[in-house]
Amino acid sequence: SYVLTQPPSVSVAPGQTARITCGGNNIGSKSVHWYQQKPGQAPVLVVYDDSDRPSGIPERFSGSNSGNTATLTISRVEAGDEADYYCQVWDSSSDHYVFGTGTKVTVL
Amino acid sequence: QVQLVESGGGLVKPGGSLRLSCAASGFTFSDYYMSWIRQAPGKGLEWVSYISSSGSTIYYADSVKGRFTISRDNAKNSLYLQMNSLRAEDTAVYYCARGASYSSSIPFDYWGQGTLVTVSS
Repeated sequence: SYVLTQPPSVSVAPGQTARITCGGNNIGSKSVHWYQQKPGQAPVLVVYDDSDRPSGIPERFSGSNSGNTATLTISRVEAGDEADYYCQVWDSSSDHYVFGTGTKVTVL
Repeated sequence: QVQLVESGGGLVKPGGSLRLSCAASGFTFSDYYMSWIRQAPGKGLEWVSYISSSGSTIYYADSVKGRFTISRDNAKNSLYLQMNSLRAEDTAVYYCARGASYSSSIPFDYWGQGTLVTVSS
């Protein structure tokens, strides 16, 4: 089955840039989506199709995808960005949705 | 506005059954693919099952295949998950989520607040 690997944690100072990676075999050939989940809340879609943002999501959230790594970038990090972040793809070989292992972003 | 409200969670013994429901409003339910996704306490997200807009196409995660059944009633704007032969490892918050129509890879653009299922003797 297809596996998506994320770093368990990323720490960043306010105003700086956070980069969260999502590794998978030839993930560059897939469309990657990213979700933000704050404690006690349902996930929220923040980036879809590698780099597009749903309406209402700040431009500070951006994404890229190439080779074996997709990346979610959060620019000018704010305290409110502290959350768990998950990448996700559709694996057509198994007809399964797959989520990454999740990354906890801590704002110092 | 789009709303998804899950219900039906609770405490059930191993081997028991439970039926979850998800009431949808604020959009044309019959136009959208839907999924169930779960999250064990303190763990990450795990996709459980998918159903197409008409109900003709259904997929399951390997961990629940043969035990869980997804269904929908477009006339009632409702999504269901029948869970049988429940195990302790099925303990989780279960979310229903809508598949976005603006992307062919169908990300989940709206989620319910979740319902907790606890499997324990």
